[in-house]
Amino acid sequence: QKEVEQDPGPLSVPEGAIVSLNCTYSNSAFQYFMWYRQYSRKGPELLMYTYSSGNKEDGRFTAQVDKSSKYISLFIRDSQPSDSATYLCAMRGFKTIFGAGTRLFVKA
Amino acid sequence: EAQVTQNPRYLITVTGKKLTVTCSQNMNHEYMSWYRQDPGLGLRQIYYSMNVEVTDKGDVPEGYKVSRKEKRNFPLILESPSPNQTSLYFCASSSETQGYQETQYFGPGTRLLVL
Repeated sequence: QKEVEQDPGPLSVPEGAIVSLNCTYSNSAFQYFMWYRQYSRKGPELLMYTYSSGNKEDGRFTAQVDKSSKYISLFIRDSQPSDSATYLCAMRGFKTIFGAGTRLFVKA
Repeated sequence: EAQVTQNPRYLITVTGKKLTVTCSQNMNHEYMSWYRQDPGLGLRQIYYSMNVEVTDKGDVPEGYKVSRKEKRNFPLILESPSPNQTSLYFCASSSETQGYQETQYFGPGTRLLVL
């Protein structure tokens, strides 16, 4: 079993939809939780990071962590075609572990 | 402009021919790391460095070496490349505050093909 599980998609939604991206994990030692966005042929860029359980909002993005369920989510409101990318979750305890990434397509 | 640079961006080589991928950052970051990205496996950490002369293995260190003689540079060395090291490689750097990793910047990637 992988330490971090992430549905690879692809996920295709119409412009303006609310997008929900999720990861589950098995290691309870993870303390920091991150979401990265990676455009084609580019390096990942950090979108959101949270410490422990709770929600964090930044513009159209909301990151949610539920440590009791070992489940994290990223919500994108009013999705735009420019949000089309691969989204990677990442978690850090002693080391940083990345999910495999979910490919998102937002159709105009 | 804050950035992480990698060279080369693309490389085709043959089995056993030593190669080095350079990484440099201009943000005075203490923490640097190398990842490889493979389809379905995501990013896996190869090596990381907390500061000059301090390096440690990540999850997939076999077949790789690193060095950190200067704060800004963190080269990745493949002494004897093999086809299973064909991958997309990313260097990353970040600052750390009490163990909490601040914004991590990734380089543009190096696509390596080992024949």
